[in-house]
Amino acid sequence: EPEVTQTPSHQVTQMGQEVILRCVPISNHLYFYWYRQILGQKVEFLVSFYNNEISEKSEIFDDQFSVERPDGSNFTLKIRSTKLEDSAMYFCASRLIQAINEKLFFGSGTQLSVL
Amino acid sequence: DAKTTQPNSMESNEEEPVHLPCNHSTISGTDYIHWYRQLPSQGPEYVIHGLTSNVNNRMASLAIAEDRKSSTLILHRATLRDAAVYYCILSLFGNEKLTFGTGTRLTIIP
Repeated sequence: EPEVTQTPSHQVTQMGQEVILRCVPISNHLYFYWYRQILGQKVEFLVSFYNNEISEKSEIFDDQFSVERPDGSNFTLKIRSTKLEDSAMYFCASRLIQAINEKLFFGSGTQLSVL
Repeated sequence: DAKTTQPNSMESNEEEPVHLPCNHSTISGTDYIHWYRQLPSQGPEYVIHGLTSNVNNRMASLAIAEDRKSSTLILHRATLRDAAVYYCILSLFGNEKLTFGTGTRLTIIP
């Protein structure tokens, strides 16, 4: 079965530094998402993206966050100035169409540690 | 938003069936019931979904109550690889993002 690929699997950064998390969604999918999961907590929605635009974002997704699909295959999440509380597992996901009965495919995640 | 209620944890013996319950008493007529699971150190993984009728796939079965206020995910023969957190999620019409709860942590006893 096709997979969503995320790199790197682990990222360590200093507080205040910029990080870019990378994802390669499934090739024919059109809708892309970022979720995050702080250790021991729920999986939380961050943002959805379609047709080169953000279609929905959560309260967590503030001005420090941005997403981009730079080249038609990659989907990135940038955190401009990381905070300690940004430490979490970040999951990229994609789906073929935006429909309530369409399944979401998740990557294995990038563990971000902010020191 | 319609909410789901699941037990925090369950245990089952290997090679036996597992029934994971979910209550969603405020479900509306157009909401789909989705089940995802999250294996240790992995991203969530789709298991099954349904609207009104019971559903079967290679991973599991989904039994939906006639009034749709509850559902049960059935793993027919649990293996150690089925140890995971199982999430019951309502996919709301007009709001297609998935909202995860705390799920049920399933432990499989060898």
